Amino acid sequence: AQKVTQAQTEISVVEKEDVTLDCVYETRDTTYYLFWYKQPPSGELVFLIRRNSFDEQNEISGRYSWNFQKSTSSFNFTITASQVVDSAVYFCALSSSGGYQKVTFGTGTKLQVIP
Amino acid sequence: EPEVTQTPSHQVTQMGQEVILRCVPISNHLYFYWYRQILGQKVEFLVSFYNNEISEKSEIFDDQFSVERPDGSNFTLKIRSTKLEDSAMYFCASRPGTVLDTQYFGPGTRLTVL
Repeated sequence: AQKVTQAQTEISVVEKEDVTLDCVYETRDTTYYLFWYKQPPSGELVFLIRRNSFDEQNEISGRYSWNFQKSTSSFNFTITASQVVDSAVYFCALSSSGGYQKVTFGTGTKLQVIP
Repeated sequence: EPEVTQTPSHQVTQMGQEVILRCVPISNHLYFYWYRQILGQKVEFLVSFYNNEISEKSEIFDDQFSVERPDGSNFTLKIRSTKLEDSAMYFCASRPGTVLDTQYFGPGTRLTVL
């Protein structure tokens, strides 16, 4: 069975602060995908990143960066210099890379960026 | 860029009524999914569909749910007799079925059961 844990339910930061959202996962698959999605108040799921389990390189995209540590089964997400528009619920998710690839989501972290 | 579309964006129904949620996956995609998100909770897998049959379903997907691909473009989720607890956002997703592919999610349909 697959499991994704996001221990932080809600985080509040002041604009321009850096913030890290934690994600820990469990899977028996040897190859798998990890994801981060943003869900703004409008409700849609905005895809942010997919990481393959065999690629442990960290990734940076603008103010966003991701730290994948296979040894600790973690896939953390950092927003640098947060902005009010970053306020949303962020979901970490996991799927196998084979088979039907259903996605297992974490419970989400609600980020509030205060101006 | 191709997108998964869902209609309607918001559906209100009375308890006990049947509802059909519609999705148009991305053309040429082979795998289709429905997920559900009760307000304030996580997104949960309901069912996957491939080659015109259900390939996997969760325990949530009981006999009151059914899925269908009635033609070459639509993918529907039917709830036979809605309950209050079916109120949720329903997301459709599709993926091409190629190496290193990924699922593309639609914008969701918010279902409100009164």
